[in-house]
Amino acid sequence: DAGITQSPRHKVTETGTPVTLRCHQTENHRYMYWYRQDPGHGLRLIHYSYGVKDTDKGEVSDGYSVSRSKTEDFLLTLESATSSQTSVYFCAISDTYEQYFGPGTRLTVT
Amino acid sequence: GNSVTQMEGPVTLSEEAFLTINCTYTATGYPSLFWYVQYPGEGLQLLLKATKADDKGSNKGFEATYRKETTSFHLEKGSVQVSDSAVYFCAASRVYTGFQKLVFGTGTRLLVSP
Repeated sequence: DAGITQSPRHKVTETGTPVTLRCHQTENHRYMYWYRQDPGHGLRLIHYSYGVKDTDKGEVSDGYSVSRSKTEDFLLTLESATSSQTSVYFCAISDTYEQYFGPGTRLTVT
Repeated sequence: GNSVTQMEGPVTLSEEAFLTINCTYTATGYPSLFWYVQYPGEGLQLLLKATKADDKGSNKGFEATYRKETTSFHLEKGSVQVSDSAVYFCAASRVYTGFQKLVFGTGTRLLVSP
């Protein structure tokens, strides 16, 4: 299994609070991605990174920001959480064709 | 951009039955195509892939053929097992060198009973 961890694995937070999810890899892969998974939508790309301090928006980036200060860490921040951001969040990494996915973080915004 | 459509689930089968999960795509050019599998409580794992027309991807008894003429990439398995119960996602990407922006279908849940 690719060395990808996500923390926390579960989180419940209140509307309007900031939340940061962490993705950590031990594979030294260049590319990292954040997705959200929702019923009826499959996985949708939020943000991605193609190197340290190089990030870009995906298809559902509104309300999210990211940072990558080290190769191994990719942080996803919800500046002010809303109920529509209740979801399961997956981090992925890749070097060539295959993306490897982390175990996911289940976030509930009440 | 790319889009992927896959059949609604759940698909319910008895052990040893034949499986087909349909997937079609729309894209400019010829994307690379993938099937990912998600077991309960886990992240997605790559099951198989095909990168050009007429390629057949295969793994663990599963197969899918890249059909350019029908823009399809249907997943098949000749004899399913209870352990195949999972959610299956079809995905497409225009592959950039070393980087891929995957577009996923909505997923199809497979339930296999003994």
